[in-house]
Formats: sequence, structure tokens, C-alpha cells
Amino acid sequence: KQEVTQIPAALSVPEGENLVLNCSFTDSAIYNLQWFRQDPGKGLTSLLLIQSSQREQTSGRLNASLDKSSGRSTLYIAASQPGDSATYLCAVDLGGSQGNLIFGKGTKLSVKP
Amino acid sequence: DAGVIQSPRHEVTEMGQEVTLRCKPISGHNSLFWYRQTMMRGLELLIYFNNNVPIDDSGMPEDRFSAKMPNASFSTLKIQPSEPRDSAVYFCASSSRYTEAFFGQGTRLTVV
Repeated sequence: KQEVTQIPAALSVPEGENLVLNCSFTDSAIYNLQWFRQDPGKGLTSLLLIQSSQREQTSGRLNASLDKSSGRSTLYIAASQPGDSATYLCAVDLGGSQGNLIFGKGTKLSVKP
Repeated sequence: DAGVIQSPRHEVTEMGQEVTLRCKPISGHNSLFWYRQTMMRGLELLIYFNNNVPIDDSGMPEDRFSAKMPNASFSTLKIQPSEPRDSAVYFCASSSRYTEAFFGQGTRLTVV
């Protein structure tokens, strides 16, 4: 059974720091991997999607990497800002239909001004 | 497009009552998903539909839960009878063959 783990559960950093969020999964047979952002009381916003054949994706200050063989992904946030404060969720797509996702429990990020 | 639309945003009901959550997917999307989020268990897939047909309902916790998709633009998740442990945020998401899943804002359900 696929399990997704995110470490750390919570992270607090000063503004301007670069940081890395970690995600691991137990079964490498994935269709793709997604990183989401969730603000308190809100829905999920997709940040980056990495297909199983890709190694990384970049969007602005965000860079996500994928190592399927080791069951790991990282989300790198450069020059963090207070507006980056949110919970970041990693999810692996099992295929069938895009959106058949197994989620980690998230990393709650707080960026202090 | 307005995105995935869920209603109501908040629902408070008494134990034993029937609860119906509603979802309007993004037009043109052919897959629809219902997720539940709790502090203890995080986000869990309950059921998903492809072209209005239920494909996998293995995540539905009990027979008290049922979901329907009568047409491509509407789905419901019903809990009957509701129990306090059903309190959670319920999310609907939709996708197409060419896009990732887009999530609605969720329905926060409280059963007292």
C-alpha cells in the first residue's frame, strides 16, 4: 500500500532563507507527483506537477525534484517570504485518472518577517 | 471558468441527520474526486468518478456514505445518518486527461 511521508511536520524560518521540504513515498510505481499549497480554511492550490519520467520542475522561486528509484521528492523554496507561510502537501498520483492522489500530511511552514 | 464549486461552505448538523454535499466540477473535466481531510488522517480519497461512472469507492468509510454523479456537471456526497466522527472538511476535485486535479474550497462539516 502506498504511503507518503512528509518531514518536517512544521518549520519556522526567518524571511529570506532558502529552505527544503521533503517528501518520501513507499512505492515507486507512480504516475506523477504533485506539490500543493493550502492556506488556513482554504482549498488546495497546485504548485508543481512532476511526471514520473521527469527529474524536476521549476516555477518562479519554487523547484521540485523527483527521484523515483529512491522514493523521494523535495520542494526547494528560494528567498522565502512571509506570504509563503502555508501548509505544503505532497501527493503521488496512482494513475487511472489524474487526481487519484495519495497525500502526505503536509509541512506547515511559517516565514517570520 | 469559476473553478470547482462546492456547497455549502459550512454545515452544522445534529447527529442522525442526513447531510448532502454538492459539487460542480470544471466544465470539460471528465474525472471527479471526493476527498475528506481531518487532523488525524490528513487528506483521504473517498471515491472518484470517470465520465460520471464510479471507478473506485474503496475509500468510502461506511455504507452511511454514498455518492452520485447524475451528469457531467454535478455530484453529491451524502451521509445518512451522520455521526460526530464524520466531522471534517470535504473536498471535491476535478481533472481531465490533460490537466492535473483542481480542488474546490471545501465544505466544513460539523456533526454535533
